[in-house]
Amino acid sequence: DIQMTQSPSSVSASVGDRVTITCRASQGISSWLAWYQQKPGKAPILLIYAASSLHGGVPSRFSGSGSGTDFTLTISSLQPEDFATYYCQQANSFPFTFGPGTKVDIK
Amino acid sequence: EVQLVESGGGLVQPGGSLRLSCAASGITLSAYWMTWVRQAPEKGLEWVANIKQDGSEKYYVDSVKGRFTISRDNAKNSLYLQMNSLRAEDTAVYYCGRRGASGDWVANWGQGTLVTVSS
Repeated sequence: DIQMTQSPSSVSASVGDRVTITCRASQGISSWLAWYQQKPGKAPILLIYAASSLHGGVPSRFSGSGSGTDFTLTISSLQPEDFATYYCQQANSFPFTFGPGTKVDIK
Repeated sequence: EVQLVESGGGLVQPGGSLRLSCAASGITLSAYWMTWVRQAPEKGLEWVANIKQDGSEKYYVDSVKGRFTISRDNAKNSLYLQMNSLRAEDTAVYYCGRRGASGDWVANWGQGTLVTVSS
């Protein structure tokens, strides 16, 4: 199985900050990567697919980049509604595995 | 608007069985691969199973192989997960999801249903 790691595991930030989260795959996955946001008690929502494509309705302050084994999710200017946990997920081969998550909370 | 609504969760004893359902509206289920993803309490996400549009292909994570069965009824626009020989480690919120048009990500999620395996 492909293992996914994320860093940092948590980050404290302020509204307006630029936040970058890193995801690494244990083997190359081309651009088969997605990013999700999850708030407490809610289902995840898809933010980014194919490493850098913005899902419909997702604000443009979210962006994704990378290919192969190293990927990043960037929030250009953190908004109050962005405080949540973010997961990456590889879609290269089954079982499709998720990273352990990065919690973004208020500084 | 796409809506996926899970049902069938609850408390079950170890070794017991449960059948989860996912009713879809706003989409024609027969056009998409569908999936189940679970999340243990205070833990991360785990992909459980996938099923092709016509049900001809199914994939399971190793931890549920031989115990869980994913199925669908396209006429009823519904997805199912039959869970047998349940274990404490199967305790989780179970989400149904619609595969993305261009890859194996979850484009739409249900609200989830909680399965608790405990004596």
